[in-house]
Amino acid sequence: ETGVTQSPTHLIKTRGQQVTLRCSSQSGHNTVSWYQQALGQGPQFIFQYYREEENGRGNFPPRFSGLQFPNYSSELNVNALELDDSALYLCASSLAGTGSNTEAFFGQGTRLTVV
Amino acid sequence: AQSVSQHNHHVILSEAASLELGCNYSYGGTVNLFWYVQYPGQHLQLLLKYFSGDPLVKGIKGFEAEFIKSKFSFNLRKPSVQWSDTAEYFCAVNALNFGNEKLTFGTGTRLTIIP
Repeated sequence: ETGVTQSPTHLIKTRGQQVTLRCSSQSGHNTVSWYQQALGQGPQFIFQYYREEENGRGNFPPRFSGLQFPNYSSELNVNALELDDSALYLCASSLAGTGSNTEAFFGQGTRLTVV
Repeated sequence: AQSVSQHNHHVILSEAASLELGCNYSYGGTVNLFWYVQYPGQHLQLLLKYFSGDPLVKGIKGFEAEFIKSKFSFNLRKPSVQWSDTAEYFCAVNALNFGNEKLTFGTGTRLTIIP
């Protein structure tokens, strides 16, 4: 176990709906990153939050947004869901400044299916 | 932008065989390198990491990897595989000049060990 917990574990949504995924980071960690893992692919970086501020974003449209709370937990919100958003969404937490040598600990992910 | 290539998509070996999984990355600056493993139904787990120093790094479960800077490679090895090594293996790179802990993953190698 990594101490990173994600909820829910599975979710089915209809195209056009909105979804919120949640992540509790490992105790003491101040950085949370979100990744999208499509079937048969490696995880793709969505964005990262460090001390409640976005600190880097991957090639995802603005309908992917996030939040980090004072306790360092985080949410990933996706608006106007599309079929291609069906994937495993992974949260990773780490203890970092900026660009320091740290390792990320991953949660088990949320499997989102858009129908 | 950095990228990671894993040339072996699916590797099938018998128990006790030796393993080498290839990983090449494209980025000219300083990097941290990682190998993660994803067992069926489980979260991504760190196998080993390279930050600096000895380019031959040892990880958990008898795995090791060698960083060859001139070849932009970080291949994973294990002298004798076990059935329990059946899993998906991901190479990842963090480019240190971007000020965040973004990981860029390869597409993964599915390893099947035949008893």
